[in-house]
Amino acid sequence: EVQLVQSGAEVKKPGESLKISCKASGYSFTYYWIGWVRQMPGKGLEWMGMIYPGDSDTRYSPSFQGQVTISADKSITTAYLQWSSLRASDTAVYYCARHGRFCRDDSCYPAYFDYWGQGTLVTVSS
Amino acid sequence: DIVMTQSPDSLVVSLGERATINCKSSQSLLYSSDNKNYLAWYQQKPGQPPKLLIYLASTRESGVPDRFSGSGSGTDFTLTITSLQAEDVALYYCQQYYSSPKTFGGGTKVGI
Repeated sequence: EVQLVQSGAEVKKPGESLKISCKASGYSFTYYWIGWVRQMPGKGLEWMGMIYPGDSDTRYSPSFQGQVTISADKSITTAYLQWSSLRASDTAVYYCARHGRFCRDDSCYPAYFDYWGQGTLVTVSS
Repeated sequence: DIVMTQSPDSLVVSLGERATINCKSSQSLLYSSDNKNYLAWYQQKPGQPPKLLIYLASTRESGVPDRFSGSGSGTDFTLTITSLQAEDVALYYCQQYYSSPKTFGGGTKVGI
């Protein structure tokens, strides 16, 4: 059974750093891209970026490039999302999710999200 | 970036009636060499992560009731819920996975 289990809720102050995690199990971790999605309070879903744990290839949405860092440790099948200096506007629920795969022209690509973590609430407040 | 625009923002439907949600992309999501549309639909209930309903614009995910259907091609897509049930009250999102960033629509709230 595919499972993505995220770390627990966090309360931080502006300027602090944070790293949240997403532990994957039940599938070959290195063969599927893992993405991160932000949902601000009462708002919609925003695709932040993704990582391919097989070679750590990472892609970011321009909206999040330079604001967060996505990483993965394939030895413990865990992906991470981190901030070096949080702002109040980072308050949100963050989801990790597995990108399904589609293949064409002899290559495979990240597709829709087929499995999701339960979400991690990050609250940034002074 | 491909911009995804959903309409309406919200709708109220009677139990047993049809709900229709539209999603428009700023670029075609149809890949010419395989004739497939790279669009997915998700359902999100309060306090839960989204759940995949439809991919490739019209393929229902395993276990999704057949009252949910997706249609459309190119830049215009529709999610239809025939015979709305109480458990279908939720937010619905479209997402394109034709290119990165894999953008979502703004969401449509379906109520009764």
